[in-house]
Amino acid sequence: EVQLVESGGGLVQSGGSLRLSCEASGFRFSSFSMNWVRQAPGKGLEWLSYISRTSSTIYYADSVKGRFTISRDNAKNSVSLQMSSLRAEDTAVYYCVRDYDSDAASWGQGTLVTVSS
Amino acid sequence: DIQMTQSPSTLSASVGDRVTITCRASQSISSWLAWHQQKPGKAPKVLIYKASTLESGVPSRFSGSGSGTEFTLTISSLQPDDFATYYCQQYNSYWTFGQGTKVEIK
Repeated sequence: EVQLVESGGGLVQSGGSLRLSCEASGFRFSSFSMNWVRQAPGKGLEWLSYISRTSSTIYYADSVKGRFTISRDNAKNSVSLQMSSLRAEDTAVYYCVRDYDSDAASWGQGTLVTVSS
Repeated sequence: DIQMTQSPSTLSASVGDRVTITCRASQSISSWLAWHQQKPGKAPKVLIYKASTLESGVPSRFSGSGSGTEFTLTISSLQPDDFATYYCQQYNSYWTFGQGTKVEIK
């Protein structure tokens, strides 16, 4: 069974930094690209970032480009999102999502980030 | 960037109703479209991917169709467990989600 477990969320002041982690199990992690998606309270889903299987290709949404950094460690079956210069509008539940392949994407349970102003 | 437009935003329906949600892409995405279901306080769950492929374990009352720029999600007979918010998502170029359709009890 595919499992994705996010951690690292919490309360941070505006302008601060936070690092989210996602530990994967139940599949060959190194064979899948990974994404981060967030959902602000009462709002829809927003894709943030993508990292390929070998980290050779990385993409960011314009809303986080230059502030967030995605990385992965295939030896540890984990993907991370380093977030800096956080703003109130970054308050959201952050989801780690395995990319599509021949199978469907898979979602983690999410971790809440609250940025206080 | 590819924009995804869902309609309606809210849908009121009764148990047993046939329900259809539409999603339109701003440019062709071939069949690289998924539908997700989300219940309050929970993570989204993939129902359908590649426009019409039913994810394992998803009831057969859910179906997807379309290609190019026009897509639909159909629930053939709405069940109590189906009251939720549904999102379409393109994965042809980066990812983009529709704004969501909330299916409410009529």
